[in-house]
Amino acid sequence: EVQLVESGGGLIQPGGSLRLSCTVSGFTVSTSYMSWVRQAPGKGLEWVSVIYIGGSTYYADSVKGRFTISRDTSKNTFYLQMNSLRAEDTAVYYCARGGELPNPFDYWGQGTLVTVSS
Amino acid sequence: DIQMTQSPSSVSASVGDRVTITCRASQGFSSWLAWYQQKPGKAPKLLIFAASSLQSGVPSRFSGSGSGTDFTLTISSLQPEDFATYYCQQANSFPITFGQGTRLEMK
Repeated sequence: EVQLVESGGGLIQPGGSLRLSCTVSGFTVSTSYMSWVRQAPGKGLEWVSVIYIGGSTYYADSVKGRFTISRDTSKNTFYLQMNSLRAEDTAVYYCARGGELPNPFDYWGQGTLVTVSS
Repeated sequence: DIQMTQSPSSVSASVGDRVTITCRASQGFSSWLAWYQQKPGKAPKLLIFAASSLQSGVPSRFSGSGSGTDFTLTISSLQPEDFATYYCQQANSFPITFGQGTRLEMK
């Protein structure tokens, strides 16, 4: 059974850093394209970042230079390092399989809430 | 960036109704469009990919069509479990973008 489980969310002050994790079972992250998608409270979905099988990474302009996606194949886990956090980064962050053009996101985690507030 | 605009933003319907949701892209592209269903407090669920391909396990009452700038999601006969929010997503170019969502409510 495929499962994606996010962790690492919480309350953080503006300017702070947080690292989200997504632990995967049922397939291997080393042979999959993996993404982060976020959803601000009461709002729609926003793609954040993707890491390709070969290691290439892509980011939304809103997080470029502040967020870094990475993976640890030995743990079958991938990450989102979030620095210089802003109030507008407050959202539920979902990890998902997919994000390589032109394929969709076919498996999703349950989401982890990040709240940026003083 | 390709902007995706869904219409309507919300729709009220009854069980058994046929419902169509439209997604318009700011630039034309081939068929690389997906549709997702999201229920409150849950992750999105993939329904349709490549504009018209039904994801495994999704009921056949869901269908998709379109290419270029105009795409549609149709639910042929609404069931109680279909009341949710629906999003389109283009997978043609970065940044990947979603529509703003269409909330399907019970009349």
